[in-house]
Amino acid sequence: DAGVIQSPRHEVTEMGQEVTLRCKPISGHDYLFWYRQTMMRGLELLIYFNNNVPIDDSGMPEDRFSAKMPNASFSTLKIQPSEPRDSAVYFCASSFSAGYSPLHFGNGTRLTVT
Amino acid sequence: EDQVTQSPEALRLQEGESSSLNCSYTVSGLRGLFWYRQDPGKGPEFLFTLYSAGEEKEKERLKATLTKKESFLHITAPKPEDSATYLCAVGGVGSASKIIFGSGTRLSIRP
Repeated sequence: DAGVIQSPRHEVTEMGQEVTLRCKPISGHDYLFWYRQTMMRGLELLIYFNNNVPIDDSGMPEDRFSAKMPNASFSTLKIQPSEPRDSAVYFCASSFSAGYSPLHFGNGTRLTVT
Repeated sequence: EDQVTQSPEALRLQEGESSSLNCSYTVSGLRGLFWYRQDPGKGPEFLFTLYSAGEEKEKERLKATLTKKESFLHITAPKPEDSATYLCAVGGVGSASKIIFGSGTRLSIRP
């Protein structure tokens, strides 16, 4: 398996623009997670899905953030409008079962909002 | 609320100098404790899962152990290629299937 695939690897945008991050999880994994990593706050869970259904979005910082999983092989995280404080590395991860099985991470999208 | 605390924040060792990284956790009903390695510009790479106190796992120069309150990652005779950030994470019954991460330990091995 190719592992978790994220795109783009890098995204530079101006404040106020819409940003869409994409993720393809490992085939057969029922759980998909979106994390954000910064030096100050480390890895923060934003939202996770089970069988394409959002289970917990309490980590989503504001209404500007939204996530979807239209099918088992694709998820998006959208920020609209983007702000400089959204600059971070965004990771997608998938697993067989939450809590018991390890997460498998993609290589992340480094977002810079100017 | 589930919590994970890692120490030290950073550790510099000479090649061959063994040491341990600590992960203290508070969780209501441990499902699993996970260790990851993260290299710059990459996502965390899974190393070990531990499920119950007393359990140990080994891989090359790394050995992970677990008690009811903490986990240790022992590094024996490290090499420069072991330099990375090591992350600890827990999954608990009370955290609704979330995996909570510690802030990590930055390990640097000097040749």
